[in-house]
Amino acid sequence: GQQVMQIPQYQHVQEGEDFTTYCNSSTTLSNIQWYKQRPGGHPVFLIQLVKSGEVKKQKRLTFQFGEAKKNSSLHITATQTTDVGTYFCAPQGAQKLVFGQGTRLTINP
Amino acid sequence: GAVVSQHPSWVICKSGTSVKIECRSLDFQATTMFWYRQFPKQSLMLMATSNEGSKATYEQGVEKDKFLINHASLTLSTLTVTSAHPEDSSFYICSARTGGGLPGPQHFGDGTRLSIL
Repeated sequence: GQQVMQIPQYQHVQEGEDFTTYCNSSTTLSNIQWYKQRPGGHPVFLIQLVKSGEVKKQKRLTFQFGEAKKNSSLHITATQTTDVGTYFCAPQGAQKLVFGQGTRLTINP
Repeated sequence: GAVVSQHPSWVICKSGTSVKIECRSLDFQATTMFWYRQFPKQSLMLMATSNEGSKATYEQGVEKDKFLINHASLTLSTLTVTSAHPEDSSFYICSARTGGGLPGPQHFGDGTRLSIL
C-alpha cells in the first residue's frame, strides 16, 4: 500500500512564526489529503491535492503537491494559538486512507 | 456538511467485557466506513474497512474474531471489541466518505475512548 513519511514529528514555535510539515513517498501518489487533529479531538479534513505541482491556499495555510507527485507540504504563515494540533498527510488509495505519522505543532503564545 | 456520529464517547469497563461502538452517518449514506485505532501520541492506524451488506476487510495484524464489525445498513456500522483486555485500551475512531467518486474527504466521528481495567 501507499505509505508516507512525515517530518518533523514535532515542532514547537513562537506565535507568529511560520511552520512547515513535509510528507514524502517513495512511490507516485494519485492524490494526497491533509487533516488536522486538535488535542483530544478527531481528524478534520483540510484539503485534497490531485494534480502534479498543485498549490492551494486556505488563508494562512498553503498546500503543495510535488511535480513528481511523491511529496507534499503544508506551510502555515504567522502561526496562531488556534493552529495547535497534529497535522497528518494521507494518500488515498482505491478505498482506504493511510495516515502519515503526523507532525505535532505546539505554539508558545 | 457531512456528519458522522459515534457512540459512546467514553467506555470504562472490566477486563473480559465486550464493548460495542456505533458509527452513524447522519445526513448521508455510506456504503463504506472505516475503523481506526489511535494510541496516545501516535498516528491513526486503519483497522478495517466496513462494507454495507458484506464482510469487513481487515488490515494485516488485526484479529477479525477480536474486533467484530457489522455494517447492517447504509448509515450504521458497529465495532465490537470482544473480551476486551487492558491492551485494547485506545481511542477508536470511525470515518465515512460522502459520494461514490474517488478520491474524496473522509468525515470522522468524535471517537470512543476505551479504557479496560
